[in-house]
Amino acid sequence: DIQMTQSPSSMSVSLGDTVTITCRASQDVGIYVNWFQQKPGKSPRRMIYRATNLADGVPSRFSGSRSGSDYSLTISSLESEDVADYHCLQYDEYPYTFGAGTKLELK
Amino acid sequence: EVQLVESGGGLVQPGRSLKLSCLASGFTFSNYGMNWIRQAPGKGLEWVASISSSSSYIYYADTVKGRFTISRDNAKNTLYLQMTSLRSEDTALYYCARLRTGSPDYWGQGVMVTVSS
Repeated sequence: DIQMTQSPSSMSVSLGDTVTITCRASQDVGIYVNWFQQKPGKSPRRMIYRATNLADGVPSRFSGSRSGSDYSLTISSLESEDVADYHCLQYDEYPYTFGAGTKLELK
Repeated sequence: EVQLVESGGGLVQPGRSLKLSCLASGFTFSNYGMNWIRQAPGKGLEWVASISSSSSYIYYADTVKGRFTISRDNAKNTLYLQMTSLRSEDTALYYCARLRTGSPDYWGQGVMVTVSS
């Protein structure tokens, strides 16, 4: 199975920060990586698909990038509504696998 | 508006069975593959199973293979997950999610399954 190693597991952030979360795939997954945002008590929301594409309605301060087997989600000028958990997912092959998640907390 | 509404969860004893349903609306259900994804309390997301639009292709996580069965009724716009031989480690919030070109896009609100004696 493909492992998605997500880092950091948690991050203390301030409003206005630029935040980067990374997932490293244990084997080639091409462009088939999603990023999801999950707020407490809510369902995950797709933010990024195919590694770099912004999902519908997602603010432009969110972006996705790829460098080899490393996939990153960047939030520019963090706003309070962005404080949440974030999960990466590879869907290149079954079984689909998620990263362990990153929890953003306000300082 | 795409809506996915799960039901059928609850408290069940280890070794027993439970069947989850997910009623879809706001899109042509028969055109999309579907997923079940779960989240144990305080834990991350775990993909459980996927089914193609016509049920031709079905995939399971190793942790549920042989115990869970995913199915769908396109006439009823409903996705199912039959769960048997339930274990305590199956305790989780179960989400159904639509697949768009392989990628889960819309998710339901989730239904809780608790396996405990």
